[in-house]
Amino acid sequence: QSALTQPPSASGSPGQSVTISCTGTSSDVGGYNYVSWFQQHPGKAPKLMIYEVSKRPSGVPDRFSGSKSGNTASLSVSGLQAEDEADYYCSSYAGNNNWMFGGGTKLTVL
Amino acid sequence: QVQMVQSGAEVKTPGASVKVSCRTSGYTFNRYGITWVRQAPGQGLEWMGWISPSNANTHHAQKFQGRLTMTTDTSTSTANMELRSLRSDDTAVYYCARDLSIPGSSINWGQGTLVTVSS
Repeated sequence: QSALTQPPSASGSPGQSVTISCTGTSSDVGGYNYVSWFQQHPGKAPKLMIYEVSKRPSGVPDRFSGSKSGNTASLSVSGLQAEDEADYYCSSYAGNNNWMFGGGTKLTVL
Repeated sequence: QVQMVQSGAEVKTPGASVKVSCRTSGYTFNRYGITWVRQAPGQGLEWMGWISPSNANTHHAQKFQGRLTMTTDTSTSTANMELRSLRSDDTAVYYCARDLSIPGSSINWGQGTLVTVSS
């Protein structure tokens, strides 16, 4: 299984919105509503931002939202803030009790 | 609050085994699965496997077939991950995480354990 496909980088200015995509296949992203998004700052453990495509854990700002269309999931961040600068990873259930991550996207706040 | 405290860094030679422990607190250990993820230096996240503390059921990525063992000790609320026949490309930070609902929803993470494999 190959990793899910994410753009290597994304950027936006403070206050703007940015969307990060995560493309898989009908066997993973497209086949199940089990897509999660994680934020990771350098040297830190990942943090769950979105699970089951669009659910936000308690404490995650509503500036973060998730969606899915076909084989592509998306993470949208509105009202960009400096602290949003981090690496973002998507993950998806891939059937047969397997999970996979995307390659990661480095989000830069200009 | 929920805490996941992992064992310290390890240096191993190729062919050896490593065991990483993950001591948990602040929640009912049996109710939530534990996922193991690793991250090679400068690389992305890699899902390794998952264990249910309630019945010890495990699932792991195919690439670790025969090398990975995940266990839990309910008496100490600790999860353990053992990786055998280590190679240099197993050098990575290994994380344990508590799942919110299903294995992909890892909500609480350990601090990570660096495992270095070098001759």
